[in-house]
Amino acid sequence: DTAVSQTPKYLVTQMGNDKSIKCEQNLGHDTMYWYKQDSKKFLKIMFSYNNKELIINETVPNRFSPKSPDKAHLNLHINSLELGDSAVYFCASSQVKEPDTQYFGPGTRLTVL
Amino acid sequence: GQSLEQPSEVTAVEGAIVQINCTYQTSGFYGLSWYQQHDGGAPTFLSYNALDGLEETGRFSSFLSRSDSYGYLLLQELQMKDSASYFCAVGGNTDKLIFGTGTRLQVFP
Repeated sequence: DTAVSQTPKYLVTQMGNDKSIKCEQNLGHDTMYWYKQDSKKFLKIMFSYNNKELIINETVPNRFSPKSPDKAHLNLHINSLELGDSAVYFCASSQVKEPDTQYFGPGTRLTVL
Repeated sequence: GQSLEQPSEVTAVEGAIVQINCTYQTSGFYGLSWYQQHDGGAPTFLSYNALDGLEETGRFSSFLSRSDSYGYLLLQELQMKDSASYFCAVGGNTDKLIFGTGTRLQVFP
């Protein structure tokens, strides 16, 4: 009965490849997010979706494309991976009226070689 | 712009009390949240203050002073398992959380 799940947990790939990370939440939340946490543990929001609609789109290279097939799922596709994309990517969700209380998935550690 | 400042590291011994401060600069401030993250783990929500004052949840308490743009997380009766990074985060009028740079707490026996 995992609340927010992500797959895969680890992702090792070569520069230039395309990869996807999947996220699912079973909390009934309307809002989902993608965060990037770098090696210095700085946690930065990338995207936010509310009921399948893109709400927040931070200054992220357009190689990153989120997709929300329904309000319980938010996937992240990354094209032409670069070394600087190496980080831990977290999915999170919240109630639309409580954006400060977010529930995070376990994270996906992406390593680009 | 929005920014948050927290100490980078705090150390303490088991059973002690530690306070982690957070000062923020933001527009359209709604509230201050605190998250805990163990090494290799995910951030976990601890507390949220929208109004001035102290909120207590077990061994953890969080304080907010909106006039001073300041808050803190107070951890009492420290245990080894409290060793983790602690992040303050502010929500504003942009429907997103801005996280601080995190404070690494090390608890020694």
